[in-house]
Parts: sequence; structure tokens; C-alpha cells
Amino acid sequence: NAGVTQTPKFQVLKTGQSMTLQCAQDMNHEYMSWYRQDPGMGLRLIHYSVGAGITDQGEVPNGYNVSRSTTEDFPLRLLSAAPSQTSVYFCASSKRTGVGFTEAFFGQGTRLTVV
Amino acid sequence: SQQGEEDPQALSIQEGENATMNCSYKTSINNLQWYRQNSGRGLVHLILIRSNEREKHSGRLRVTLDTSKKSSSLLITASRAADTASYFCATDGAGANNLFFGTGTRLTVIP
Repeated sequence: NAGVTQTPKFQVLKTGQSMTLQCAQDMNHEYMSWYRQDPGMGLRLIHYSVGAGITDQGEVPNGYNVSRSTTEDFPLRLLSAAPSQTSVYFCASSKRTGVGFTEAFFGQGTRLTVV
Repeated sequence: SQQGEEDPQALSIQEGENATMNCSYKTSINNLQWYRQNSGRGLVHLILIRSNEREKHSGRLRVTLDTSKKSSSLLITASRAADTASYFCATDGAGANNLFFGTGTRLTVIP
């Protein structure tokens, strides 16, 4: 059981370049999300999905796109990288029951530097 | 923002001592969860407490929840150097589709 697999682990981009961060889970979780973590800021929600074909914006969605064509995959696209997007990105998945969310499983993170 | 806030931001203790960190949040919740993050790694789930529970234990962890004060505390007893990490609380509000994380407490346990 691999859990949540996130790739790549490290990436350096030039300003204006685009790229896709990959995230896959094998737990059949309907809920998946992307967070960014900056020093002293905790985790901020970028985009999330409550199931295949359904996505929505979080707290800091500007500059990012997502899609959810399957239950397993939830890629995050940076459209035109900016230095302000230098951060560590985490993908997470969990289930939601009638009494709220169960534990979330996280990928190992992608450390992105935009120069 | 619904983001919770942990207190203190940083905590340094000697091995064997107890560590207490607190989380405050803004809206009514379904559940509150605590996570641990070792440096440079993803978050790992520690414990979940439901809104109708007041206290929960797991090994050396004790979590309390006071919904009237919108606050929770995490107690780690008999701390070890391996407990050195950042600890985050996360909440899901009633009707929300998101898990919101706090800003974290950085715990250092000195051997």
C-alpha cells in the first residue's frame, strides 16, 4: 500500500516556466487537496477535490490549476511560475464520513524553487 | 481564515519532561486532529478527537478539547529526543469541505 505518492521531490524553475506536480493515491479516497507550506505560515490550501470531476479553490489558488479525471490522481499545474511560488508543496488525501474527515495522508512534498 | 493557531510557536524542553502545546480555532468543528512533521517530510497523523469528546489518549499522547473555548491541547508525556518535530492541529468545520491547518508548534527535545 503506497499511500500518497508525490513527484518530483525537488524542482527548480525559471520565472515564466510551467510545470505539473503529480499526486496519486491508492486508498480510494474521494477527498484530495494541495497545500503549500512557507516558513512560519503553516499549510495553506491551494485547491481541493471532493471526487473525480469536482474541484474547487482553497485559500491561495491564484497561479495554479488542478483537474481530477480519476479518483487516484490530482495533478497541480503551475501556469507561469513566479518567485512568490517558491515553497514546499504537499498533496494529501482523506475520506469524509457523516461526522467529518478521517485522518489525512500526505505525500513527501515537492520543494520548488523559482528563480 | 478558519486556520487554527498553535501556541507556543516554539518550545524547547529537556528529555523526560512533558510538552504541552495548544490550538485555538474560530468556527464550530466536526473533528480536531493533530499531526506531526519531521523536518522536510510530510505530515503524519497522530490523533483525532471528535467535537463530542473531551479527552483522548494514545500512548504518550493526551489530547483535550474544549469546544466552548474553541481550543485543544496536546500533551506529550516523558518526551524523547525523537519527538523533536513540528506539531499541527487541523480542523474541519461543520459543513466544510476542507481541513484547515494551524501554523504549528516547533518542539525541540534536548537529550
